[in-house]
Formats: sequence, structure tokens, C-alpha cells
Amino acid sequence: AQSVTQLGSHVSVSEGALVLLRCNYSSSVPPYLFWYVQYPNQGLQLLLKYTSAATLVKGINGFEAEFKKSETSFHLTKPSAHMSDAAEYFCAVSEEGAQKLVFGQGTRLTINP
Amino acid sequence: GAVVSQHPSRVICKSGTSVKIECRSLDFQATTMFWYRQFPKKSLMLMATSNEGSKATYEQGVEKDKFLINHASLTLSTLTVTSAHPEDSSFYICSARDIKGLRAEAFFGQGTRLTVV
Repeated sequence: AQSVTQLGSHVSVSEGALVLLRCNYSSSVPPYLFWYVQYPNQGLQLLLKYTSAATLVKGINGFEAEFKKSETSFHLTKPSAHMSDAAEYFCAVSEEGAQKLVFGQGTRLTINP
Repeated sequence: GAVVSQHPSRVICKSGTSVKIECRSLDFQATTMFWYRQFPKKSLMLMATSNEGSKATYEQGVEKDKFLINHASLTLSTLTVTSAHPEDSSFYICSARDIKGLRAEAFFGQGTRLTVV
């Protein structure tokens, strides 16, 4: 069975600071990994995805994530936080060819002026 | 990117009534759609997988007679919450995958906030 653990339900950073949201996964087969962002009362928007190609994945809004198989991690980073980045972030995993996503618990990102 | 439209975005209903939520893929075809439920400040819980032209597959613990799913076409799936009760109040989100994309990501609707009074 697959699972995702997001370390830290709430992360707070200053505007302009580095954003680091942690995600560790468990999968018995090569995983597909995703990061989604959710704004209040909205659906989910895909930030980026890893599908067994390059281990460093660049996404929208300046976000990127690195797949590290040895650490079973897929942490999300952004060099410089912007106020508009304040939202809920979800890491998700699925098996290759499968369609079902398993989500982590989510991390609420707060940006301080 | 692909667009998934969910309607209504917000609904308030009386206890005991039924509510239908629609999920449409506007610019692609989706043989499979997914229905999630999200509790306040919680993650998304998969309720069921909706397959076009066949019965939905429900996750363990989800009452299929309570949450009726119909996937009548490649662009529309509906979730009906029957005999709604206050504990059914939640945020419901659908997602769909483009059948032409072998490794396509899931596109999500805007969500529906259901309040049962």
C-alpha cells in the first residue's frame, strides 16, 4: 500500500525567505509523485509532478521538487516566498499506470510580511 | 491545462433532502472520475472512483446507497448525497483524468461546500 507523510501541518516563513515543505512517501513500486496547492474554498491545482524522468522537477510559480529515492522523499522548495504563496499544499502519490491518488495530510503555508 | 467544472460551488439543504453535485470535464474526455471528501483542515479522502458506463467503485467505509454516483458520459459524473444529515456537511471535490494522457495528472474541480441544516 502507498502512503504519504507531510512533516509539519503548518509552516510559516517570511516573505522572500526559502520555502521548504517536506514529503516522504512509501511505495512498493516506482511511484508517481505530485504536489498540489489549494486556496481557500477552491479545488486543487497541480504545481508539479514526478513521473520517473528527471529527479529535479520544476513547476509553476517558481516551485520545484527533488525526488530522492534513497530518502523516499519529494520535498517542495521555492527560493523566495511571496505573499501569494500562502495556501494549503498537498503531496500525493500514485502507482505508474494507476489513477488513484493517495494524499498526505497537507501543510498550511503562511507568509509573514 | 484541462478544465474540470463542478457545480454547485456551495449548497445549503435541509436535513433529509437529497443533493446532486455535478462534475464536468469541459475540454477533454474522462473515462474515470474521482470523488473526494475533505473535512475542515484535513486532507482529501477518496470516496469513490466513477467509471463511465459502469458502477462506481467505493472505498471502504463509504456507503454506496448514501452517496450515489452516476457517470453517464465521458464528460459528466454526478454525486448525489441522499437523505442528507448534518454530519454529511463537508467539502466535496471531484477530479478527472484525460483518457488520451497515458500519464496525465488529475484535474480537479473547484469543489462544493455542502451544508446540511
